[in-house]
Amino acid sequence: DGGITQSPKYLFRKEGQNVTLSCEQNLNHDAMYWYRQDPGQGLRLIYYSQIVNDFQKGDIAEGYSVSREKKESFPLTVTSAQKNPTAFYLCASSIQGQNQPQHFGDGTRLSIL
Amino acid sequence: GENVEQHPSTLSVQEGDSAVIKCTYSDSASNYFPWYKQELGKGPQLIIDIRSNVGEKKDQRIAVTLNKTAKHFSLHITETQPEDSAVYFCAASIGGYQKVTFGIGTKLQVIP
Repeated sequence: DGGITQSPKYLFRKEGQNVTLSCEQNLNHDAMYWYRQDPGQGLRLIYYSQIVNDFQKGDIAEGYSVSREKKESFPLTVTSAQKNPTAFYLCASSIQGQNQPQHFGDGTRLSIL
Repeated sequence: GENVEQHPSTLSVQEGDSAVIKCTYSDSASNYFPWYKQELGKGPQLIIDIRSNVGEKKDQRIAVTLNKTAKHFSLHITETQPEDSAVYFCAASIGGYQKVTFGIGTKLQVIP
């Protein structure tokens, strides 16, 4: 079955450490997205990518970095510059074109040790 | 930018009753309105969407209505079942990859 796989499901970060969250999709979608979800808040866009080797900042990109070397993969790095990284991180993908529904993975929960 | 307000934040209904969740948006240029259901520990799943050229859309027990003049849209779930218990998010999109704005979510509890 096609879908989006996020790993790991739970991740712990030490102070001053960078961590990378994995997102892989086999839906053949061109566009991919990273969102952050905090309790009582909607989803906030961190980064998005419309095509391989191209990506743009979303609303809350500070302290995060991404790469898009392959169509299937869009890893997110939470850097030490992100001072409040504890959250639920969601990856999504969609086909190209305006107003296409996004398909989400099951998320990674990041906590600080 | 776009602002989406969603209410109520929590909703409890008896099994078999209907549930209604309402959202308003601020940017009249928004033209796509998806609804997502998120179960505990899972990612959101699209349950229904509506585009601005349509006023209402139904899919079995789920329906969405859109009033572009008033800039609000609503999700209606009829004959609720315990498996409908989840958090529901509305969203509005102007078009383009970066312009999807989500509401804060409604936690729906269906009491057997």
